[in-house]
Amino acid sequence: NAGVMQNPRHLVRRRGQEARLRCSPMKGHSHVYWYRQLPEEGLKFMVYLQKENIIDESGMPKERFSAEFPKEGPSILRIQQVVRGDSAAYFCASSPARDRNEKLFFGSGTQLSVL
Amino acid sequence: DAKTTQPTSMDCAEGRAANLPCNHSTISGNEYVYWYRQIHSQGPQYIIHGLKNNETNEMASLIITEDRKSSTLILPHATLRDTAVYYCIVERGANSKLTFGKGITLSVRP
Repeated sequence: NAGVMQNPRHLVRRRGQEARLRCSPMKGHSHVYWYRQLPEEGLKFMVYLQKENIIDESGMPKERFSAEFPKEGPSILRIQQVVRGDSAAYFCASSPARDRNEKLFFGSGTQLSVL
Repeated sequence: DAKTTQPTSMDCAEGRAANLPCNHSTISGNEYVYWYRQIHSQGPQYIIHGLKNNETNEMASLIITEDRKSSTLILPHATLRDTAVYYCIVERGANSKLTFGKGITLSVRP
């Protein structure tokens, strides 16, 4: 049973370009969470999605960032017109249900570097 | 903000038990205590969780005080590969997201 798969593992973009980060949840999991970790800082929640729905985007920057989790295919975190401050590790997690007793499984992350 | 308080760091000798404390004095009755860890540059890894009773799995034991205001994660025989940042989390929002604090950096020395 494969774990949470994130790709690419490393992504380099120049300022102004777009970054697309992909996350395939574990088999059977329909809930996806995105977190960002800036250098030397803790993990910050960004967005929580269920298939075709955004449940909680309270941690998403108001501009340039968007996320989706379509009926088919991986979840996508999209960053438009990247700036150097977007350089960070982006982690995706999945769970099978929306329940306080359910643990999250994390992927290995995508390291985004903006030149 | 996270509702837990953890020491910034601690160290432990390889092969000995590592006892990681966590204070969560404002925990509500239906909130679980979760422990995750993050080894350098990797994604967080689930360790264990509990509500009231002590819990044990293949990785660790979780001891929760009777008043639930604090807990201790025990790694019974620490190895060098256990060096990581350990997060104690009790806040689970209505949408089941985890709120990570600063965690405690455990350094296991040879």
